[in-house]
Amino acid sequence: SQTIHQWPATLVQPVGSPLSLECTVEGTSNPNLYWYRQAAGRGLQLLFYSVGIGQISSEVPQNLSASRPQDRQFILSSKKLLLSDSGFYLCAWSVQGARAYEQYFGPGTRLTVT
Amino acid sequence: QKEVEQNSGPLSVPEGAIASLNCTYSDRVSQSFFWYRQYSGKSPELIMSIYSNGDKEDGRFTAQLNKASQYVSLLIRDSQPSDSATYLCAVNMFTSGTYKYIFGTGTRLKVLA
Repeated sequence: SQTIHQWPATLVQPVGSPLSLECTVEGTSNPNLYWYRQAAGRGLQLLFYSVGIGQISSEVPQNLSASRPQDRQFILSSKKLLLSDSGFYLCAWSVQGARAYEQYFGPGTRLTVT
Repeated sequence: QKEVEQNSGPLSVPEGAIASLNCTYSDRVSQSFFWYRQYSGKSPELIMSIYSNGDKEDGRFTAQLNKASQYVSLLIRDSQPSDSATYLCAVNMFTSGTYKYIFGTGTRLKVLA
């Protein structure tokens, strides 16, 4: 069965510090991968998606970036965090198949920028 | 107009009753529809998916889709206090070479014991 991991689970970082969040998927090949952010009491905002290694599409211009160095690894980064970057960061995967297009989320990383 | 709209609630129902959650969407190209349950502080969990008009049942859950009216709903029968959560409606559409998912802001459900 498929499993998605995210780490760290929680993170407190000062403004201006760098960020690296990692997501890995097990049990599937060539998944579509997504990064979302959910601010407190708000909906899910799609940040990046990737259909393959090295292929990244950005949905929202901001100080975040994403990379996909391996098929099942997706990384979210920032060189300098802003207060507005606080939120719940969710990685998700989907793959075409018998249960086509269903999307599954990882456990998330709760980021607080102070 | 928002792409996916849900009543934010809270929707309060007594234990054992049927909870009815509704969602409308604006894009007629949308192909697949999903319901997620999100407990406070946790990530969303997929509970139902539906692709064709009509009803789809899975245990106590029934999803209903009406593409002509651009409406999708979720019924929860025999509601339990453990069903208290925020329910997110999501719509999937193929655009720019990939499938993108548009989420509503969620309906908060409270099941009263």
